[in-house]
Amino acid sequence: SAVISQKPSRDICQRGTSLTIQCQVDSQVTMMFWYRQQPGQSLTLIATANQGSEATYESGFVIDKFPISRPNLTFSTLTVSNMSPEDSSIYLCSVIPGTANGYTFGSGTRLTVV
Amino acid sequence: GNSVTQMEGPVTLSEEAFLTINCTYTATGYPSLFWYVQYPGEGLQLLLKATKADDKGSNKGFEATYRKETTSFHLEKGSVQVSDSAVYFCALSGWGLPYDKVIFGPGTSLSVIP
Repeated sequence: SAVISQKPSRDICQRGTSLTIQCQVDSQVTMMFWYRQQPGQSLTLIATANQGSEATYESGFVIDKFPISRPNLTFSTLTVSNMSPEDSSIYLCSVIPGTANGYTFGSGTRLTVV
Repeated sequence: GNSVTQMEGPVTLSEEAFLTINCTYTATGYPSLFWYVQYPGEGLQLLLKATKADDKGSNKGFEATYRKETTSFHLEKGSVQVSDSAVYFCALSGWGLPYDKVIFGPGTSLSVIP
């Protein structure tokens, strides 16, 4: 299965600033997914990133707040813009080797906004 | 619509106790079912999976059987260890979901005390 490297693993940021999270996969994948996990909550899909096209955002998430890049089939970035304390969460990228295999996840980025 | 329901936590057990975490799902057709585990401070890992009715997924002493008649996928382990303390997520994907979307349950926190 795919191996995903995600960084940074954690960060503490000032409100009003932006943070870019990087996700590198060891194999080419068509789709990459970005999730948010708020404290004590389950995972919520933010968007799906296809190489060569704009990301598809889920309801409640917008490109201005969470711009995503997907420059090639092994890499993606998620930016959390103009951060507020409510953005404090774990952000995870993931890929699907195949429907029957479920997701493979990165180790996550634990973001604290102060 | 498609959804996953899990027993509420937190669950606290003594070491070597028997574990059951209930999971039921609502889905059209025949989804694949998964259990993911999230250890403290880490991302999600796929624990086990089952892709069709009556399949049993197993890993690290954990088991879950895909029961179509009861739409359930309960997680069990005969003797838990302190190292099993984590949050467990039941999930489903496939059949009728767009672009291999995975739906997660709310998670069940397990604490195992010596």
